[in-house]
Amino acid sequence: DIQMTQSPSFLSASLGNSITITCHASQNIKGWLAWYQQKSGNAPELLIYKASSLQSGVPSRFSGSGSGTDYILTISNLQPEDIATYYCQHYQSFPLTFGSGTKLEIK
Amino acid sequence: EVQLVESGGGLVQPGRSLKLSCVASGFTFSNYGMNWIRQAPGKGLEWVAYISSGSSYIYYAETVKGRFTISRDNAKNTLYLQMTSLRSEDTALYYCARHLGAGGFDYWGQGVMVTVSS
Repeated sequence: DIQMTQSPSFLSASLGNSITITCHASQNIKGWLAWYQQKSGNAPELLIYKASSLQSGVPSRFSGSGSGTDYILTISNLQPEDIATYYCQHYQSFPLTFGSGTKLEIK
Repeated sequence: EVQLVESGGGLVQPGRSLKLSCVASGFTFSNYGMNWIRQAPGKGLEWVAYISSGSSYIYYAETVKGRFTISRDNAKNTLYLQMTSLRSEDTALYYCARHLGAGGFDYWGQGVMVTVSS
């Protein structure tokens, strides 16, 4: 099974700043990676798929990059509504697995 | 508008069974693979099971293999999860989610709570 190691677990940043979240796969997942945002009390929402493709309706402040085993989610110009927990997830093969999540706080 | 609505959750004793349902609307259900994903209280996301559009391909997480069965009725636009031999560690909010063709889960339900406790 492919393990996803996500870091950091917790992140505090100021409005208007940029942040990055990283995800490392235990083997090459060939770009088959998605990022999700989960706000408190809500279901997760898809932000990015295929490592760098922005899901329809997602602000362009969100971007994804990476290849092979290492991937990055970048949020630029942080907004108050970005307070959430973020998860990566691979879909290179079954079983599908998620990273452990990154909780983002706005300073 | 795409909607996924789960039901069937509740409080159940260890060792008992429960069947979840997810009714889909706003899209052609029979064209999409579907998944169940769960989230234990205060914890992260765990993928549980996948079923392809025509039920030809089915996969499970090791933690539920042999105890849970995913199925679907395309005529009723409904996804199911039959859960047997339930354990306390199965306590979670269960989401159904649509499988995006290019990967990932693009639509999620609001979830249904399953609590396994004596």
